[in-house]
Amino acid sequence: NAGVTQTPKFQVLKTGQSMTLQCAQDMNHEYMSWYRQDPGMGLRLIHYSVGAGITDQGEVPNGYNVSRSTTEDFPLRLLSAAPSQTSVYFCASSYDTSSSYNEQFFGPGTRLTVL
Amino acid sequence: AQSVSQHNHHVILSEAASLELGCNYSYGGTVNLFWYVQYPGQHLQLLLKYFSGDPLVKGIKGFEAEFIKSKFSFNLRKPSVQWSDTAEYFCAVNTDKLIFGTGTRLQVFP
Repeated sequence: NAGVTQTPKFQVLKTGQSMTLQCAQDMNHEYMSWYRQDPGMGLRLIHYSVGAGITDQGEVPNGYNVSRSTTEDFPLRLLSAAPSQTSVYFCASSYDTSSSYNEQFFGPGTRLTVL
Repeated sequence: AQSVSQHNHHVILSEAASLELGCNYSYGGTVNLFWYVQYPGQHLQLLLKYFSGDPLVKGIKGFEAEFIKSKFSFNLRKPSVQWSDTAEYFCAVNTDKLIFGTGTRLQVFP
């Protein structure tokens, strides 16, 4: 199993550009989520999904869109990048959120810089 | 809404010192509690978790945590830290989504 994979590892954008951060998992996990990590602020939940076709907002959803067309993939879209979105982005997945199997597995992260 | 507080932002210890990192959460219902660790340059890894049963939970690398329901706390402990424990530690609470605290940066000096 590859676990949770994220691409790209690094990205530099100009203000106003759009891009998609990719996240995929091969563990047949129902629950997937996106976090951003900023110094002194821990990890903040952006969006999450409890299964294919279902997404919901987390703590800091503004400026980001997600979709979940398959169980495996959960891309994060930045429609118009802003410097405030400079951060490290982590994707995570778990079997579900309601059972004792809900340990979250994290991807390696994407370091995004918006100029 | 659920929230998690970690009051120790930066902890500096010498090797063999004992460690206790505080974690408090706010949520009135049943919670699952976690501690994750992030070593320099790496992604988060699960250290230990509490779902039910014995409130004293043992994790990897000699870490343990105690769930005290009356205090809404889940403090992380280790009797004797090592230089390799230098990392950032995150407490998290899971109801329908996983919410993290702001993290505690631990530095252990030889």
